[in-house]
Amino acid sequence: QQQVKQSPQSLIVQKGGISIINCAYENTAFDYFPWYQQFPGKGPALLIAIRPDVSEKKEGRFTISFNKSAKQFSLHIMDSQPGDSATYFCAASPGGGADGLTFGKGTHLIIQP
Amino acid sequence: DAGVIQSPRHEVTEMGQEVTLRCKPISGHNSLFWYRQTMMRGLELLIYFNNNVPIDDSGMPEDRFSAKMPNASFSTLKIQPSEPRDSAVYFCASTLRTGLAGTQYFGPGTRLLVL
Repeated sequence: QQQVKQSPQSLIVQKGGISIINCAYENTAFDYFPWYQQFPGKGPALLIAIRPDVSEKKEGRFTISFNKSAKQFSLHIMDSQPGDSATYFCAASPGGGADGLTFGKGTHLIIQP
Repeated sequence: DAGVIQSPRHEVTEMGQEVTLRCKPISGHNSLFWYRQTMMRGLELLIYFNNNVPIDDSGMPEDRFSAKMPNASFSTLKIQPSEPRDSAVYFCASTLRTGLAGTQYFGPGTRLLVL
């Protein structure tokens, strides 16, 4: 059972454009929703995270939008740069991040110069 | 600052052999997680520890897998006997759990190939 569904599987965006990745979850006990960025040969690194008491969180060019009623959240990357080319994973946890994370399948993002 | 340290970084072994993966969490962190990453199944939680005590091992595939955390600065994941389907990248992550919060920091992973 896939508890966190992520789309699209791959995404190509022009430099300067907006990259949007979507996730949907099923478990209403989830209360922590992070996004991780992974470069080839490296471990995932936390990019930004949100809790369900807010609908949006912004850090620099990265924004999470959260819709609790729809059980959906998304990552927006503004002014996308070639250095943003990586695989992005959404995740969810019932324990504020201190319990195990359930990950989406990942989105391979390519920013074309 | 040293991050999560994993060893070895790469491991090639033959089917039936015992494999031991090692992890040193970030100093001061009190929770440790083992994840496995494959193309087919993505990133999956195998087991996690709080204060060296295993809390949830429901993700461990079968009895061939075992994990220990003898102290706050060291954990092992053992596969015995190994099988080709165990080939994957195994990540260790740690966090400082405060109440119900904690950001997980991942190590560089161990790439395991079982022939």
